[in-house]
Amino acid sequence: GAVVSQHPSWVICKSGTSVKIECRSLDFQATTMFWYRQFPKQSLMLMATSNEGSKATYEQGVEKDKFLINHASLTLSTLTVTSAHPEDSSFYICSAKGWDTRDTQYFGPGTRLTVL
Amino acid sequence: GNSVTQMEGPVTLSEEAFLTINCTYTATGYPSLFWYVQYPGEGLQLLLKATKADDKGSNKGFEATYRKETTSFHLEKGSVQVSDSAVYFCALTSNFGNEKLTFGTGTRLTIIP
Repeated sequence: GAVVSQHPSWVICKSGTSVKIECRSLDFQATTMFWYRQFPKQSLMLMATSNEGSKATYEQGVEKDKFLINHASLTLSTLTVTSAHPEDSSFYICSAKGWDTRDTQYFGPGTRLTVL
Repeated sequence: GNSVTQMEGPVTLSEEAFLTINCTYTATGYPSLFWYVQYPGEGLQLLLKATKADDKGSNKGFEATYRKETTSFHLEKGSVQVSDSAVYFCALTSNFGNEKLTFGTGTRLTIIP
């Protein structure tokens, strides 16, 4: 099946620094990638949708200048949390779909971000 | 807007017990419905789906039927195994060509031998 990886799996950073999270589709071309955020014991909440080569579409209430998304190739999307603060601490999950995935989204294992 | 409500966990069952995880939804139009499963240390995987009313999705012994009249998509399995221990998410997408998934909060299932 289609495999999506994320790196790093966890990261701890100081308040005010920026953190980049990578999402890769390993065995298919991802025309669309999604970034989700999950708080403890809560739903996954969609943050943004990105199509390869285009600007990301952000959900209402998500600051695009704080959560920078780049989808420069058909196998890689990055999420950069800029000037991170403790309230940005969360579990970030990406998913991807492509021509070969029959409209099914395949999910990465997630990245745990802790901002001190 | 769209929303999904699923039973809160954790749920603990003995091996070979019958499983039901309830899921109800609110959506405009005719959504597609999904169950995703997340095994420890892994990403979410699609378990089954149904795209129209009265459809039954099934996979690995799990079943769920799209009930429009009760806006429900309950997950069932007749005899669970220890390997079914995971977190299960109910989700939906709208029918307007919208790829966005709306998730429930997830239900952690633990099966004891």
